[in-house]
Amino acid sequence: DTGVSQDPRHKITKRGQNVTFRCDPISEHNRLYWYRQTLGQGPEFLTYFQNEAQLEKSRLLSDRFSAERPKGSFSTLEIQRTEQGDSAMYLCASSFTGGQPQHFGDGTRLSIL
Amino acid sequence: DQQVKQNSPSLSVQEGRISILNCDYTNSMFDYFLWYKKYPAEGPTFLISISSIKDKNEDGRFTVFLNKSAKHLSLHIVPSQPGDSAVYFCAASARLNSGGSNYKLTFGKGTLLTVNP
Repeated sequence: DTGVSQDPRHKITKRGQNVTFRCDPISEHNRLYWYRQTLGQGPEFLTYFQNEAQLEKSRLLSDRFSAERPKGSFSTLEIQRTEQGDSAMYLCASSFTGGQPQHFGDGTRLSIL
Repeated sequence: DQQVKQNSPSLSVQEGRISILNCDYTNSMFDYFLWYKKYPAEGPTFLISISSIKDKNEDGRFTVFLNKSAKHLSLHIVPSQPGDSAVYFCAASARLNSGGSNYKLTFGKGTLLTVNP
């Protein structure tokens, strides 16, 4: 039974660099979500896909962030020109069309030097 | 504006006793509530959920109670076990004005539960 898989688990980069994360959802799930979690907070919604269509983006997702799900399977989240404030855990989740419950991956921890 | 509030950052209980984790919400459009458990270095794991048309849902040792008038829900774990030690997040999703269901979850800040042997 494969759950949601995220890669890499950890990413350390210098400020100003671009980074890309990958998420592989549970194979039967057609909804995919990205969340961000900072220390002492719960996960915060970033964006959501229904198959390959990106249906909503949070105000937290600035123009430096872009997410894709080109074939309705895996998804990528890219952050351009990283800033210190981007340091966080980036979580991916997936679900059936009904929406809940969402099943989360173990996240990618991003550290900006 | 914190729409989902978990006012207790931590809770400590003895093994075998009941753990009660509380959650309050302010958004009256929330109609589905979930509890997740999170171990360090892992993602949140779904535990149990409840729809707003119910006031109780039970799954083994876990029971969630919903009081809509008070905008309050609680998670009861009985009996508590040392392996239950983790951060517990309360989350909610809202119904849309169109009548459909929303998809994004709004989380509380979590409560760290420690179960002592």
